[in-house]
Amino acid sequence: GESVGLHLPTLSVQEGDNSIINCAYSNSASDYFIWYKQESGKGPQFIIDIRSNMDKRQGQRVTVLLNKTVKHLSLQIAATQPGDSAVYFCAENIAGANNLFFGTGTRLTVIP
Amino acid sequence: NAGVTQTPKFQVLKTGQSMTLQCAQDMNHEYMSWYRQDPGMGLRLIHYSVGAGITDQGEVPNGYNVSRSTTEDFPLRLLSAAPSQTSVYFCASSYSRWQGNQPQHFGDGTRLSIL
Repeated sequence: GESVGLHLPTLSVQEGDNSIINCAYSNSASDYFIWYKQESGKGPQFIIDIRSNMDKRQGQRVTVLLNKTVKHLSLQIAATQPGDSAVYFCAENIAGANNLFFGTGTRLTVIP
Repeated sequence: NAGVTQTPKFQVLKTGQSMTLQCAQDMNHEYMSWYRQDPGMGLRLIHYSVGAGITDQGEVPNGYNVSRSTTEDFPLRLLSAAPSQTSVYFCASSYSRWQGNQPQHFGDGTRLSIL
């Protein structure tokens, strides 16, 4: 399978701090990336996406950065809140494959 | 819109039993898919469909069948349940057949245990 992976399986941050979750991918033909949030007992929920022709994309309190040179993707969450505690997945689409490949996830814990 | 609806939410089966996991979406999405989620592993694709009447295998299709007789429904059938199929199963859908520019929307999963 595709080696979409994460540098750290767990991340703990203080409430109000910024969080950075990282993801590495290995296929240079990957052209589309998505970040999902999964809360306990729920399905993955779309957060933000980015195409390979972009380096950065911002949403509400979230920013995704894409570095194609080193095949690295990151999700930044500003002013992390307790409700942000969840597992975060990155997923990628490889051009021509037409299916998403998912990483194993990082568990984010927000400390009040 | 209800989004992607999966039933049942929980199920316990004995080895050798068969069952069907239901998935329905009310968003008129072309693409539908089934994943399984196991501890320490990413979501793995079982089967997918790019439209009514069209299905194809994903990464881990053995032991599962699917059909897509309507745009809305995409049931997953376990033919003869095995303990290795104990997992959480997610159904997902997206508007276009092409996966290169849009996210998939997920249901809340079916937690399946095979004894």
